[in-house]
Amino acid sequence: EAQVTQNPRYLITVTGKKLTVTCSQNMNHEYMSWYRQDPGLGLRQIYYSMNVEVTDKGDVPEGYKVSRKEKRNFPLILESPSPNQTSLYFCASSITDSNQPQHFGDGTRLSIL
Amino acid sequence: AQSVTQLGSHVSVSEGALVLLRCNYSSSVPPYLFWYVQYPNQGLQLLLKYTSAATLVKGINGFEAEFKKSETSFHLTKPSAHMSDAAEYFCAVAGGTSYGKLTFGQGTILTVHP
Repeated sequence: EAQVTQNPRYLITVTGKKLTVTCSQNMNHEYMSWYRQDPGLGLRQIYYSMNVEVTDKGDVPEGYKVSRKEKRNFPLILESPSPNQTSLYFCASSITDSNQPQHFGDGTRLSIL
Repeated sequence: AQSVTQLGSHVSVSEGALVLLRCNYSSSVPPYLFWYVQYPNQGLQLLLKYTSAATLVKGINGFEAEFKKSETSFHLTKPSAHMSDAAEYFCAVAGGTSYGKLTFGQGTILTVHP
């Protein structure tokens, strides 16, 4: 089954404690992207990757890091999380780029205390 | 820079009534436009996409959207609402100078009353 898998689904943590949200896709897609969803703001793009070792900033990259060492994986790293990063995060992938429909994971709800 | 505005954060309709969700976009190049739906506690699913092949786009679950360049709009419609259509709907635009960026609207929550 074609899918985008995010882990963990839920996480409560404290300010400053480094965390990583993993994202993996099994569709051999070149493009992957991270979004955060906040009420009234829709989804905002954090980072995206056009292929292995190719990443670029979205609209809200501050406080986040990403890497793309393998085609299937695109982890999101919060090196020093802060309460304003409390949000619902989605990973997505598409076959080539953002002009193509994206497949979304089920989301990761992060609470930073 | 590209942008999307969805008019109306909440829309309420009766079952069987017309559904109209509004989306206006801004893009410096011919856009790729999408509508996604999000059911509670789930990720987003593609409803339909516009890629310049036809101005009237048909999607899943009886939804369709019409691209109007002169109005920079891409409104989503469904002739007859069903209870199962209750969800949050997002309009999104891609196709700017970067092939990586995707910009979403604020979302519209659709409520369907019996």
